[in-house]
Amino acid sequence: DVKVTQSSRYLVKRTGEKVFLECVQDMDHENMFWYRQDPGLGLRLIYFSYDVKMKEKGDIPEGYSVSREKKERFSLILESASTNQTSMYLCASSPERTLTDTQYFGPGTRLTVL
Amino acid sequence: GDSVTQMEGPVTLSEEAFLTINCTYTATGYPSLFWYVQYPGEGLQLLLKATKADDKGSNKGFEATYRKETTSFHLEKGSVQVSDSAVYFCALSDRGGGGNKLTFGTGTQLKVEL
Repeated sequence: DVKVTQSSRYLVKRTGEKVFLECVQDMDHENMFWYRQDPGLGLRLIYFSYDVKMKEKGDIPEGYSVSREKKERFSLILESASTNQTSMYLCASSPERTLTDTQYFGPGTRLTVL
Repeated sequence: GDSVTQMEGPVTLSEEAFLTINCTYTATGYPSLFWYVQYPGEGLQLLLKATKADDKGSNKGFEATYRKETTSFHLEKGSVQVSDSAVYFCALSDRGGGGNKLTFGTGTQLKVEL
């Protein structure tokens, strides 16, 4: 069965802290994605990766960075957390780079920055 | 650029009522179209998809037809159940977006009552 796991369901951090959100998939998928989900805005793509050590910016990369050292793991980093980064963060993976490819999502991490 | 517009929610229905959630899109190429569903406390999961004009995607009693002439992909179900209560996201994947990057609508919350 397909499985995408995220390191925390809930996280509370303080402004200025460095925050790491971890995502692991056990399906040997090539592609991994980080989204943030906000009410009224839907899901917006932050960063994605098509291969190990490869990353590309999505629609809203400012204030974020990513790391993919191993195929199964994709980390989202908030270098200096700010209150406007309070959000639900969703990780996803997919096996191929085709238009019809399904993305498989983790349960999400709800991050609150105080 | 690509965009997806969904009807605003929440949509509240009685059990066994007919459901329609409208979705229209703008894309530069020939996109694939998706409906994802998010049950409370969970990540998104694929509900159905259609990859070319006039295709009909279906799953769990839900259906949507890819209408190129009206750039629409409306979600329908003949008889909803309480267990269908969730947030529904329309999305597209377009070649202009680079492989299977998804553009999501804002989501429509469905509440089904007894």
